[in-house]
Amino acid sequence: GESVGLHLPTLSVQEGDNSIINCAYSNSASDYFIWYKQESGKGPQFIIDIRSNMDKRQGQRVTVLLNKTVKHLSLQIAATQPGDSAVYFCAENIGINFNKFYFGSGTKLNVKP
Amino acid sequence: NAGVTQTPKFQVLKTGQSMTLQCAQDMNHNSMYWYRQDPGMGLRLIYYSASEGTTDKGEVPNGYNVSRLNKREFSLRLESAAPSQTSVYFCASSLRGPTDTQYFGPGTRLTVL
Repeated sequence: GESVGLHLPTLSVQEGDNSIINCAYSNSASDYFIWYKQESGKGPQFIIDIRSNMDKRQGQRVTVLLNKTVKHLSLQIAATQPGDSAVYFCAENIGINFNKFYFGSGTKLNVKP
Repeated sequence: NAGVTQTPKFQVLKTGQSMTLQCAQDMNHNSMYWYRQDPGMGLRLIYYSASEGTTDKGEVPNGYNVSRLNKREFSLRLESAAPSQTSVYFCASSLRGPTDTQYFGPGTRLTVL
C-alpha cells in the first residue's frame, strides 16, 4: 500500500502555544485528506479534512495546510489546551475509493500545563 | 444517539478459536467499515460495506469474514484466530461514501494466545 508517514512521533508543547503536526504522503493521486485525534483507549475522532483542490482549510482552533508540490500535510492547533493531548494521525484517500484509505501511524501530542 | 457501539470491549482467544465482533450504528449511515490498529502502525482497512447488502475487501482481509446484517449492524468474524490477529479492532460508519466523515466506535482489544 501507499505510505503515509509522520515526521515527529512525539511533540511536547506548552499550554497556550500553537502546535504544528506534520504528515508526508507519497501518492500524488490522493484526493482527500483527513486529520484524526485519538485519545487513549478511544476510537479516532474526525478533526478536519481537506480536498486536493484546496491549500488551506480552517476549523475551530485548527487549520490544515496542504502542499501538493512536496506532498505534505500539516495540522495547526492554536492555543493548545491540555484536552488536546492525544495521538494525531492523518489519512489519505486515493481516487475517492472506499478501499483506498491509508493512515499514518500518528504523532503523540503532549501539552504541558 | 449512541453513535457507533462495539462489543465486546476486550477478548482473549486461544489460537484456532473463533469469534464474532459486533458493531452497530444508530445514525442511519449507509457505509460501514472494519479496521485494525497495531502498535506503532496506522489503521488498516479489513473490510467495508458501502451500503446495506454489499461487502468488499479492504487492505488486509485474510483471516476475516464480515456480514452486513442490516443497515445498522456490521459484524466481523474470525474463523480460526491466530496470534497475528492480536490487535485493536475499530468499526466505523459514514453517511454515504469515503469522503463523508467516518465515526468510529470505541474499539475491541483482542489478544490471541
